[in-house]
Amino acid sequence: SQQGEEDPQALSIQEGENATMNCSYKTSINNLQWYRQNSGRGLVHLILIRSNEREKHSGRLRVTLDTSKKSSSLLITASRAADTASYFCAQAGNNRKLIWGLGTSLAVNP
Amino acid sequence: GAGVSQSPSNKVTEKGKDVELRCDPISGHTALYWYRQSLGQGLEFLIYFQGNSAPDKSGLPSDRFSAERTGGSVSTLTIQRTQQEDSAVYLCASSWSGGVTDTQYFGPGTRLTVL
Repeated sequence: SQQGEEDPQALSIQEGENATMNCSYKTSINNLQWYRQNSGRGLVHLILIRSNEREKHSGRLRVTLDTSKKSSSLLITASRAADTASYFCAQAGNNRKLIWGLGTSLAVNP
Repeated sequence: GAGVSQSPSNKVTEKGKDVELRCDPISGHTALYWYRQSLGQGLEFLIYFQGNSAPDKSGLPSDRFSAERTGGSVSTLTIQRTQQEDSAVYLCASSWSGGVTDTQYFGPGTRLTVL
C-alpha cells in the first residue's frame, strides 16, 4: 500500500502547549499537504509544502519536510481548545491523486 | 454558494438498493474529486474529473460504483446494489484547475449507512 502513516494516532494536551504530529510516506512526492477535520467545519486544507522546501510557516502552524527520510511534521504552537480535531497528511505525486494518512486525533483540553 | 455542497447529508438504505449522492462544486472550479472515508480511517480516492477530459476512475472499488459530471459542474456518484461494506462517509472536493499543488475544497460529506 502507498498509504502514509501518521503518529501518534492520538494526542491529548493542555491549552497553551505545543502539539507535534508526524507523517511518513512511501513514494516520491511533488508536495505534501496537511488537512484538519472536525465535526464543525469538515475537512479543511491547512498548509502545503513542496518537495524542494524544508520548512513552512502559517500562523501558529509550522511544517517541516525531510525528503531523505520521507517524513513530515506538523507543529501547532500555543494550542487552543478550538484546535481539537483530526489532522491528516496527504502526499501528492504528479498524478493529481492525493494519498492520505490515517490521521492523528488531537484533543486540546481547556 | 461559497463552498462545496453535498446532498443528502445522511442516507440510510437497505442492502441491495441503489443510491445516488450529489456534489455541487465551487463555481468556476474545473476539477472535482470523490473520496470515501470509512470510520476512523483516512480518505480513499475514488474518482477525479477535470474539465472535459476522461475521468480518472482508478479508485472505484468495483463496477457497482459509477460517477458522472454533467455540464462540467454538478456530479453524481451512484452505487448500485449497495453492500454493508459500502457504509462510509463520501466526500466530494473541488479545486480550481486540478493542478498537483491546488488546494482541494471539501464538502461536508454524505454519511451512507447500508443496513
